[in-house]
Amino acid sequence: RKEVEQDPGPFNVPEGATVAFNCTYSNSASQSFFWYRQDCRKEPKLLMSVYSSGNEDGRFTAQLNRASQYISLLIRDSKLSDSATYLCVVNVGYGGATNKLIFGTGTLLAVQP
Amino acid sequence: DVKVTQSSRYLVKRTGEKVFLECVQDMDHENMFWYRQDPGLGLRLIYFSYDVKMKEKGDIPEGYSVSREKKERFSLILESASTNQTSMYLCASSLLGLAGRSSYNEQFFGPGTRLTVL
Repeated sequence: RKEVEQDPGPFNVPEGATVAFNCTYSNSASQSFFWYRQDCRKEPKLLMSVYSSGNEDGRFTAQLNRASQYISLLIRDSKLSDSATYLCVVNVGYGGATNKLIFGTGTLLAVQP
Repeated sequence: DVKVTQSSRYLVKRTGEKVFLECVQDMDHENMFWYRQDPGLGLRLIYFSYDVKMKEKGDIPEGYSVSREKKERFSLILESASTNQTSMYLCASSLLGLAGRSSYNEQFFGPGTRLTVL
């Protein structure tokens, strides 16, 4: 079983749609969770951290369910500029000295005009 | 702004050549990482370093070595390049990780080096 699993997509949605991505992780000791965004031929960049209580940043909402080891990202009112690959990322630290991140393979979102 | 730079955007080498990929960060980060990214496989960690002269193997270290002589610089070395090392190589840096402090975990990536081995 992969340490972080995502639906690869692609998700093709019209502008203005709401779209949700899901991710599961296998290591119950993971402490930090993130969504990164990667544009075509660019490097990954942090979109948002995911907190236990759930958190929102504008049109983006992230949720964490530790019991089910499940993370989600909801994008409301999709824009053309949201088209990218969304990477689910989980921390597996080693005694706090380092932070090794495990990246999912990503979910491709294509927002259509 | 954190800046992570990589020595080349595109590189073409021949099988058997020794290849050096350089990465420099300007934010005094303790941690530095080398990944490769391949379609369908995502980012895979090759090596990482949490201090000068320290290095740890990642998930796929075979065929690679690293060097960290200065805090800001982390080099990836392909001792004898092979065609299966054709890939996008991404360097990243972050602050020293602290349990429960997710802000320390954010990794900042360089623009990547697309390496082709013929």
